Amino acid sequence: GAGVSQSPSNKVTEKGKDVELRCDPISGHTALYWYRQRLGQGLEFLIYFQGNSAPDKSGLPSDRFSAERTGESVSTLTIQRTQQEDSAVYLCASSLGGAPRETQYFGPGTRLLVL
Amino acid sequence: SQQGEEDPQALSIQEGENATMNCSYKTSINNLQWYRQNSGRGLVHLILIRSNEREKHSGRLRVTLDTSKKSSSLLITASRAADTASYFCATDNDMRFGAGTRLTVKP
Repeated sequence: GAGVSQSPSNKVTEKGKDVELRCDPISGHTALYWYRQRLGQGLEFLIYFQGNSAPDKSGLPSDRFSAERTGESVSTLTIQRTQQEDSAVYLCASSLGGAPRETQYFGPGTRLLVL
Repeated sequence: SQQGEEDPQALSIQEGENATMNCSYKTSINNLQWYRQNSGRGLVHLILIRSNEREKHSGRLRVTLDTSKKSSSLLITASRAADTASYFCATDNDMRFGAGTRLTVKP
């Protein structure tokens, strides 16, 4: 079946603009995760959705970052007033259930470049 | 800091040699997972080992888990150039990942 998909694959934007990144998880997966990965670094946890529970937003770096998820389907990560330091690959993953964390399936990522 | 941390940060070996990387964690777990990442894109799940298991195999991969030491190791036998990647461990109770081990396999 289809894996996790993300769009766009690449995004170039100007400093100060808002961007929206989309993630389509695997159908039936109740858990969804967003991560950020700067060049040459590890994954930085951003936010986690599990079913209808309140999301775990503890990893969001600032109030410019927000994410929504519609039911158990698509999620959108929004970055407002982008800064050059936001340049990174944004990875989305989904898993069948949230706790305990089981196998995560990752999308290909969105490479964001803020000029 | 995150739960799982990999060691070493980087490892360079010749094709055909074995590669061993380690993961340490801090609190009790239900399972531990290893992932591979090529070229800065999405991670690929390699293997999951549960807390009541001590060793697990998958092809050329061998994972061990020592809950008393709160550590796990990933062994890749007979390495290939295609194994060149970053390897991450993750535990079930922490959404974060460590910095990973960067493995380079020279042909």
